[in-house]
Amino acid sequence: GAVVSQHPSWVICKSGTSVKIECRSLDFQATTMFWYRQFPKQSLMLMATSNEGSKATYEQGVEKDKFLINHASLTLSTLTVTSAHPEDSSFYICSARQGTAMGYNEQFFGPGTRLTVL
Amino acid sequence: GNSVTQMEGPVTLSEEAFLTINCTYTATGYPSLFWYVQYPGEGLQLLLKATKADDKGSNKGFEATYRKETTSFHLEKGSVQVSDSAVYFCALTSNTGNQFYFGTGTSLTVIP
Repeated sequence: GAVVSQHPSWVICKSGTSVKIECRSLDFQATTMFWYRQFPKQSLMLMATSNEGSKATYEQGVEKDKFLINHASLTLSTLTVTSAHPEDSSFYICSARQGTAMGYNEQFFGPGTRLTVL
Repeated sequence: GNSVTQMEGPVTLSEEAFLTINCTYTATGYPSLFWYVQYPGEGLQLLLKATKADDKGSNKGFEATYRKETTSFHLEKGSVQVSDSAVYFCALTSNTGNQFYFGTGTSLTVIP
């Protein structure tokens, strides 16, 4: 199956700094990528949807100025957590989807990035 | 709207026991249904899927049948192993195939 990678797999940073997380589709072109956040022992919450070359669509309650998403190419999307605070500590997971046709297009999930803000 | 409800855990079973994790859904149109597994410290891995009513998804001894009449997609395995210990997520996508809707996850621990 298709492979999606994330880098870094874990990161620890100081409060107030910014952290960038990369999501790459390794063997296919991803027209759409999704960013999720997972709190301990909870389900995934969709943060935003990004389409290559256009602005990301954020879910209600997600601060777009805090979570900057850039989908610069068909194989790379980045999530930047700006001015991170301890409450931003979480597990961030991306997924990538190939194709734009209506109907089911499988999404492939990355392994996740554990962010800890001190 | 779209939503997924799955049984709360945690679930603890002895090795070789029968497993059922219930999942029901609410959706407009004709969703595709999925079970994902998450091992400790890792991301989600697709376990199985079904894209239309009465389809049965199966993988690694797990199976689930898309039941439109009961809006359910229960996960079953006849004989669990210690290595099956993980968190299992039921999910659906709408018929546009865009957004995933996840259940809250069910933690399974299999003891020898």
